[in-house]
Amino acid sequence: KAGVTQTPRYLIKTRGQQVTLSCSPISGHRSVSWYQQTPGQGLQFLFEYFSETQRNKGNFPGRFSGRQFSNSRSEMNVSTLELGDSALYLCASSLEGQGGGYTFGSGTRLTVV
Amino acid sequence: SQQGEEDPQALSIQEGENATMNCSYKTSINNLQWYRQNSGRGLVHLILIRSNEREKHSGRLRVTLDTSKKSSSLLITASRAADTASYFCATDKGSARQLTFGSGTQLTVLP
Repeated sequence: KAGVTQTPRYLIKTRGQQVTLSCSPISGHRSVSWYQQTPGQGLQFLFEYFSETQRNKGNFPGRFSGRQFSNSRSEMNVSTLELGDSALYLCASSLEGQGGGYTFGSGTRLTVV
Repeated sequence: SQQGEEDPQALSIQEGENATMNCSYKTSINNLQWYRQNSGRGLVHLILIRSNEREKHSGRLRVTLDTSKKSSSLLITASRAADTASYFCATDKGSARQLTFGSGTQLTVLP
């Protein structure tokens, strides 16, 4: 079966712009989580969605938001981009979002200039 | 914030040797998972060990968990050049519905 698909693969944006990243989970998986990976902070949890509802949110400013659609596809949005938002953004899907392993996508590499 | 630390931060071994990576964490957990990442790509799930388990095997992988010491180790036996990657431990508290990652170990297997 198809894995987790993230688009786009690479993105270059200018400070102050906004960006939307997309994630299509494995068919049948209802939980989608987002993580940010940077050299300085490592892998950090952004938020988790299940059946179109945000169930958990990490310690990130309100500029970071997300949503999930009825087909479980998810998008995350970052507004008013800062240089420090440059990172690899990873999406993970799982059946229920707890108690089991997660399948990650290949990520979106965002560069803010 | 990250759950804990992994050591060593970097490990370089010869093909055929065993590689051991350690992970420490800070809070109670439901399970602990190990992931591999190749060159800034996505994470690949390797193995999951639940809090009531002490040891688990999967192919060339062996994971141990000591909840009293809040630590885990990943052993890769008979390493191959293709095992070269970063390895991360991640803890799952269950109800929190999120993974908390360690800082990772960069493993290099020399042919």
